[in-house]
Amino acid sequence: QVHLVESGGGVVQPGRSLRLSCAASGFTFSDYNMHWVRQAPGKGLEWVAFISYGSRDIYYADSAKGRFSISRDNSKNTVYLQMNSLRPEDTAVYYCARGILRTPGDWGQGALVTVSS
Amino acid sequence: QSMLTQPPSVSAAPGQKVTISCSGSSSNIGNNYVSWYQQVPGTAPKFLIYENNKRPSGIPDRFSGSKSGTSATLGITGLQTGDEADYYCGTWDSSLSVVVFGGGTKLTVL
Repeated sequence: QVHLVESGGGVVQPGRSLRLSCAASGFTFSDYNMHWVRQAPGKGLEWVAFISYGSRDIYYADSAKGRFSISRDNSKNTVYLQMNSLRPEDTAVYYCARGILRTPGDWGQGALVTVSS
Repeated sequence: QSMLTQPPSVSAAPGQKVTISCSGSSSNIGNNYVSWYQQVPGTAPKFLIYENNKRPSGIPDRFSGSKSGTSATLGITGLQTGDEADYYCGTWDSSLSVVVFGGGTKLTVL
């Protein structure tokens, strides 16, 4: 059974950094692409970033380019999202998701990130 | 990034059937598989449909998906009160190299 657990969320001041982690289990992590998707309070789903199973292909939403960095460690079955220069509009629940081809499939329970002074 | 277009809300009575549409373009739906997700407020999205019409294990056959050209449709039969949720479509956009989602459709089971 696919199990994804995000961690690292919290309250952070504007301009500061935060790193989210997503620990995967229940499947062969190194065989799957991974995504980060966020959802601002009361809003819809917004895709953030994609990393292929071997880290060769990486893509970002315009809102994340230049500030966020996705990476993975297949030896630890973990995907990361490094978020720098955080803004109040980055406040959201951040979900990691296992990729099915190039779209999200199974989702974690999410980690809340609040950017506020 | 561009979004896919979904109706904001749909409603139907228990036991009835409802469809939710998702409209895109040739760069996304027209040339890529569509997925569908169910989200009960306050919980994580749940994977419902992948590759246009396939169901992950554990998803009942009351849920179905289809695609034609640059549009996709989610169908739900035998509506139950537990189906009340927000539903999202999503796919890859080959021109932009991003994932695009619809704005979500709120299903009310009257």
